Amino acid sequence: DTGVSQDPRHKITKRGQNVTFRCDPISEHNRLYWYRQTLGQGPEFLTYFQNEAQLEKSRLLSDRFSAERPKGSFSTLEIQRTEQGDSAMYLCASSLTLEGGFTGELFFGEGSRLTVL
Amino acid sequence: QKEVEQDPGPLSVPEGAIVSLNCTYSNSAFQYFMWYRQYSRKGPELLMYTYSSGNKEDGRFTAQVDKSSKYISLFIRDSQPSDSATYLCAMTPPSGGSYIPTFGRGTSLIVHP
Repeated sequence: DTGVSQDPRHKITKRGQNVTFRCDPISEHNRLYWYRQTLGQGPEFLTYFQNEAQLEKSRLLSDRFSAERPKGSFSTLEIQRTEQGDSAMYLCASSLTLEGGFTGELFFGEGSRLTVL
Repeated sequence: QKEVEQDPGPLSVPEGAIVSLNCTYSNSAFQYFMWYRQYSRKGPELLMYTYSSGNKEDGRFTAQVDKSSKYISLFIRDSQPSDSATYLCAMTPPSGGSYIPTFGRGTSLIVHP
């Protein structure tokens, strides 16, 4: 399977603990996105990378959240001191975006579901 | 007010019906308009997209954009139970730069046999 893969698929943790999610994008894709989705809502943008550079972060991304994409390959999203409000599906997506090209075709993984007790 | 508004439904129709799904938006800079489909416990997948105003057809699916009204639609002809999913509209400004797709909340569609 050469799609976007995310790990773990489901994480249950206690409030105050740290969690880390991993995303492996489609290998030739240069952009990698993190979105958060809660029940009954659409995906909300968190941050994105162009190769290894983190180019934009949403105001939703508090100081407790950090994302990395070393060497422009896989990415990790870490949440420190989790709160119950962090419970959501964390979606990773990747795209091959050329200069001046269409930026809207994102390939999503199946998501990592976080439950904070 | 959110930039993209979408009725969450659910919308329940019999098999074979024509389905109309809609979104409104407020940002006049949006130029690309997309429809994603999301099955339960799966990530969204792109169905089709249009650039600026007009219609685009792909099999049983037709996307329409009315920029003057800031209103987009997705029509599904001869709906099938396998079309049951959440349909998300998404939009971006013109290509280039750091433009990020903004999603609606999705409309849940149920097609019953």
